[in-house]
Amino acid sequence: QKEVEQDPGPLSVPEGAIVSLNCTYSNSAFQYFMWYRQYSRKGPELLMYTYSSGNKEDGRFTAQVDKSSKYISLFIRDSQPSDSATYLCAMSVPSGSARQLTFGSGTQLTVLP
Amino acid sequence: ETGVTQSPTHLIKTRGQQVTLRCSSQSGHNTVSWYQQALGQGPQFIFQYYREEENGRGNFPPRFSGLQFPNYSSELNVNALELDDSALYLCAMGTDAYEQYFGPGTRLTVT
Repeated sequence: QKEVEQDPGPLSVPEGAIVSLNCTYSNSAFQYFMWYRQYSRKGPELLMYTYSSGNKEDGRFTAQVDKSSKYISLFIRDSQPSDSATYLCAMSVPSGSARQLTFGSGTQLTVLP
Repeated sequence: ETGVTQSPTHLIKTRGQQVTLRCSSQSGHNTVSWYQQALGQGPQFIFQYYREEENGRGNFPPRFSGLQFPNYSSELNVNALELDDSALYLCAMGTDAYEQYFGPGTRLTVT
């Protein structure tokens, strides 16, 4: 079993829809939770990070963490064609100077105009 | 733009050869990590360097090695290339566990 599971999709939605992307994890030691966006043939771009359970909002994006269920989500409101990309969840365990990230396999999202 | 650059953008090598990939940043991040991303998969952690020493390694064999220089730039070296080494190689820099900034990657094809 992988430490981080993510529905690979693909997910296709019409412009303006609310998108929900999800990951589950098994390692209780994870304390930092990140969402990255990756366009085709590009490096991952950090969208948001959260530390504790609850919600964090940034513009059209909301990250949600439920540590009791080991479940994290990213919501995108008013989705745009420019949001079409692969979304990766990532997690890390704080350990001194260590910065290792454990990623999900990514969800490919297409927003249709 | 993250300010993290990688070179070359892509290259093709033959099985058994050796390759060196490079990573640098405009900012003075003291930690650099390398990841391998196979097609359709999330990045997999290879190793991390902090103040020029390796301080973390994922499930990769010793033929994957690296260096970090005093200016915090870094190299990833892969010896005895195998077909399965074909992937996008990413470096990430940052000083916090939750703010890691990736470069655009080097796409390696092994034939």
